[in-house]
Order: sequence, then C-alpha cells, then structure tokens
Amino acid sequence: RKEVEQDPGPFNVPEGATVAFNCTYSNSASQSFFWYRQDCRKEPKLLMSVYSSGNEDGRFTAQLNRASQYISLLIRDSKLSDSATYLCVQGNSGYSTLTFGKGTMLLVSP
Amino acid sequence: SQTIHQWPATLVQPVGSPLSLECTVEGTSNPNLYWYRQAAGRGLQLLFYSVGIGQISSEVPQNLSASRPQDRQFILSSKKLLLSDSGFYLCAWRPLARNEQFFGPGTRLTVL
Repeated sequence: RKEVEQDPGPFNVPEGATVAFNCTYSNSASQSFFWYRQDCRKEPKLLMSVYSSGNEDGRFTAQLNRASQYISLLIRDSKLSDSATYLCVQGNSGYSTLTFGKGTMLLVSP
Repeated sequence: SQTIHQWPATLVQPVGSPLSLECTVEGTSNPNLYWYRQAAGRGLQLLFYSVGIGQISSEVPQNLSASRPQDRQFILSSKKLLLSDSGFYLCAWRPLARNEQFFGPGTRLTVL
C-alpha cells in the first residue's frame, strides 16, 4: 500500500520564524518527491521537487532521507503569505501517478 | 506556455442527476491527464488517469467515469450523482519526461 503520512497541524508560528515539516512515505522504490502548496479552496501548486538528497529555493529547503523514508520541508523567515497547507507527495513508478499526503497546515501570524 | 482549464468552477446538482466536468490543456501535446477528488478535510484521491486518447485507467471503483475524446481534453462524468460525490474535483496534467503534475483551478461540486 502506497502511503504518505503528515502531521496535519496546524503549525502556528510568528512572522520571521523558522518552521519544519516532516513527512514519511512507504514506497521505498520511489525516485521522486514533491512539496505542493495549497491555499484555502484553491488548487495545489508545485513548490519544490526533490529528486536527490535535497533541494533549496530561497527560503525553502527540502531534504530527503531514504534510509528512514522521510522528507522534510524547512521554511526560514516565515511570511504571512506562507500561510497555507503543504502537501507532501511521492512519485510512483509506471505511469507516473502521485500519492499525496493529507497536508500540514501552516498559520503565520503577525 | 502551458495552461489548464476546468469548467464549471462551481456546480450544485441534485442527487440522481448526471454530471459532466471538462478539462482542457493548452500549449502541449500528448500529456498524461489526471482526475482527482478532494473531499472536505481529506487528501487528494486519484480517480482516473489517461496516457493517451481513449486510454483511461481507473484507480477507484465508483459511479464516475472518464473519457478522453481528444489529446488535450479530459471529461469526468456520472449518470447519477450521489451525496458522497460532493467535493473539489481537480484535473492535472503531466508533461512527458517529468514526474511533476500541474493542476487546473478545480470544480467545486455540491450534491444536494
């Protein structure tokens, strides 16, 4: 069974804080992982792709630990606009389907 | 650049009525196409995917069906809606040689 598990939160942090989310996955054969961001009542949007040990894009850093089968997302210097639900996603082999976690909600307050 | 469209944006339908949701992609050829449903407070559930015209794979058995009459068109249908069909329906496409998927704006369906 292909599963992706996330802490649903919410994570409440002040502006400027650093926050980290973890996600565990069950399909050890997976080669691709992603973080998507979903705003309330909107579609998910790709935030980062993780194909090797990690990826960094500005304030966002994703890391992959294959031995322990988890992926993390670190957000530095949180902004109010970072408030959203963050979806951890695992790529599956074959016809490239994706398995989505249920998401972690982040609330950044002034 | 590629864009993905879905319509309608919102829909309220009575139980037992039919359904037709449409998704089209512009600016690409032969994409993989996907239909997901996101029920309130739940994760994304893959319903159908298609790797080409007329090729449909179903992930979850239910009263929904999908069709791909053209390369860049994907349709989700039902003959008789159930209350449990309410949710946020999302279409996504995947470019060849990549694993990322990109979502359309979605259709919010309420079945009463």
